Amino acid sequence: DAKTTQPNSMESNEEEPVHLPCNHSTISGTDYIHWYRQLPSQGPEYVIHGLTSNVNNRMASLAIAEDRKSSTLILHRATLRDAAVYYCILRVSGTASKLTFGTGTRLQVTL
Amino acid sequence: NAGVTQTPKFRILKIGQSMTLQCTQDMNHNYMYWYRQDPGMGLKLIYYSVGAGITDKGEVPNGYNVSRSTTEDFPLRLELAAPSQTSVYFCASSSNKGTEAFFGQGTRLTVV
Repeated sequence: DAKTTQPNSMESNEEEPVHLPCNHSTISGTDYIHWYRQLPSQGPEYVIHGLTSNVNNRMASLAIAEDRKSSTLILHRATLRDAAVYYCILRVSGTASKLTFGTGTRLQVTL
Repeated sequence: NAGVTQTPKFRILKIGQSMTLQCTQDMNHNYMYWYRQDPGMGLKLIYYSVGAGITDKGEVPNGYNVSRSTTEDFPLRLELAAPSQTSVYFCASSSNKGTEAFFGQGTRLTVV
């Protein structure tokens, strides 16, 4: 599985936008970029995924670089409930390829 | 919608005991996974299954066994519990298309 690199931790003020970066320089053409987050004492939950184009959903936006070697998860207005560990994962779509978790980015949100 | 259900939520085992962690999903997903998460770490894949009757090893399978007799259920068996198996265990499932995976709430296991 191709590897991803994320900062260990980030901080944000509440109600401000947060940009969580992910590098994946060895991404292949069939890899989708997935983001999951894990709230304290809970299982991971799906946030968003994309292939080449930027994606938006009710939780977040995903901005993918033109060369696909990096991506950014954007939380438009962070709330205290967004404090979690965010994982960027590459996955081949159309298969049940395993989700390989790194250590993710721990996001702290303060008032 | 129940999604992925794991039981029990908590368990304390003595060294050498055995137990089965239960996982069931009601989404008719073919693919199911077992992960463990040690404190402060990411999730590591133990075993996975692509359908009833088919299982395969993940990164850290030693000390565990699985079976998949039905689409809904994917139990994880610990035969001889060791302190190194103290961890939080997560079960997950996803559809054939490999888009979103759904996780259970986890089983916190302590081996003493």
